[in-house]
Amino acid sequence: AQKVTQAQTEISVVEKEDVTLDCVYETRDTTYYLFWYKQPPSGELVFLIRRNSFDEQNEISGRYSWNFQKSTSSFNFTITASQVVDSAVYFCALRGYNQGGKLIFGQGTELSVKP
Amino acid sequence: KAGVTQTPRYLIKTRGQQVTLSCSPISGHRSVSWYQQTPGQGLQFLFEYFSETQRNKGNFPGRFSGRQFSNSRSEMNVSTLELGDSALYLCASSLQSQETQYFGPGTRLLVL
Repeated sequence: AQKVTQAQTEISVVEKEDVTLDCVYETRDTTYYLFWYKQPPSGELVFLIRRNSFDEQNEISGRYSWNFQKSTSSFNFTITASQVVDSAVYFCALRGYNQGGKLIFGQGTELSVKP
Repeated sequence: KAGVTQTPRYLIKTRGQQVTLSCSPISGHRSVSWYQQTPGQGLQFLFEYFSETQRNKGNFPGRFSGRQFSNSRSEMNVSTLELGDSALYLCASSLQSQETQYFGPGTRLLVL
């Protein structure tokens, strides 16, 4: 069975703080894909990043960075110098190689960045 | 390039009625997936269509159905609505099944 766990339900930080959102996954597939999406209050899920299971290289994009560790089945997301506009619900998702378009989502982490 | 569009954006129905939601994918995208989002169950996969064929189906009752047209536009239908069907229904499109999915703004359905 495939499963994604985001243990942090809500996180509240003050602007300019760094914040890390945790994501732990379970899968028996040797090839799989991991994603992060952001959902602002408007409701639309905005794609942030995709990582293939065979690519453990960490990635940095501006204030965002992702740490993928197969050994611990984790794919954590860090926002550096958070801003109020980062306030949203963030979802981690998993897709197995033979699962077609089926994404398995975590429960989401609601991030609140206060000025 | 225009994003994924969904119509209507908001809908109010009563128990027992049926509803049809529409999704237009990004131009050139052939795969369309549907998800239901509720506060209790989170985001759950409903089904995926590719080239007018259902490729994958989530664990939902038969009241939930869908289809895809030759232009890749997709519709989902929910018959005999129940209060628990109140949710945000999200549609996502991708070039192929294995590619990254891009989501639309969703349709908020309220069943009274």
